[in-house]
Amino acid sequence: QKEVEQNSGPLSVPEGAIASLNCTYSDRVSQSFFWYRQYSGKSPELIMSIYSNGDKEDGRFTAQLNKANQYVSLLIRDSQPSDSATYLCAGVPYNFNKFYFGSGTKLNVKP
Amino acid sequence: SAVISQKPSRDICQRGTSLTIQCQVDSQVTMMFWYRQQPGQSLTLIATANQGSEATYESGFVIDKFPISRPNLTFSTLTVSNMSPEDSSIYLCSVASSTGTSLYEQYFGPGTRLTVT
Repeated sequence: QKEVEQNSGPLSVPEGAIASLNCTYSDRVSQSFFWYRQYSGKSPELIMSIYSNGDKEDGRFTAQLNKANQYVSLLIRDSQPSDSATYLCAGVPYNFNKFYFGSGTKLNVKP
Repeated sequence: SAVISQKPSRDICQRGTSLTIQCQVDSQVTMMFWYRQQPGQSLTLIATANQGSEATYESGFVIDKFPISRPNLTFSTLTVSNMSPEDSSIYLCSVASSTGTSLYEQYFGPGTRLTVT
């Protein structure tokens, strides 16, 4: 099993809908989790980090961490065409010696 | 978050030559990493750049091909040696800094787009 796994998509949602992106992880990656947004031709941009079980909200973004079931999610409310990008999930082990990335989920928000 | 710059932003190189990519951060950081990203693919970690000691390479990457230097806490270089067309990729420098609670967040530089002909 890869340390961090994501569905590659593409995930298509209409403008204004909620986009739900999911990521599962292995026992090697259990300390902290991150969501990055990457526009085509650009470098990844950190949009959310989460360390504790439960939800963390920041504007239209909500990250959810469920350690019992080993998954982390990103919800984007009121999706906009500008949210169309690839979203990368990442996690780190307890010793923080590296970041493990998923393969990314491509999100298309249709006007 | 740290401000990261990379030089060059892009280059076209002939096979058999070498290119050195520079990464500069505006503040001291604990960890610096080098990644490669092929078009449409996810990130592949090349190595962790260690200040004052040899870099830690991931499986499939070797020092002779990708020598890395990190002379201080704000600067690192990655050299792609004896290039072949398969080395054409985007090379990304990243840094991880503490959030102040013994946890780290990672930020990326703008990347270097390398084309080998």
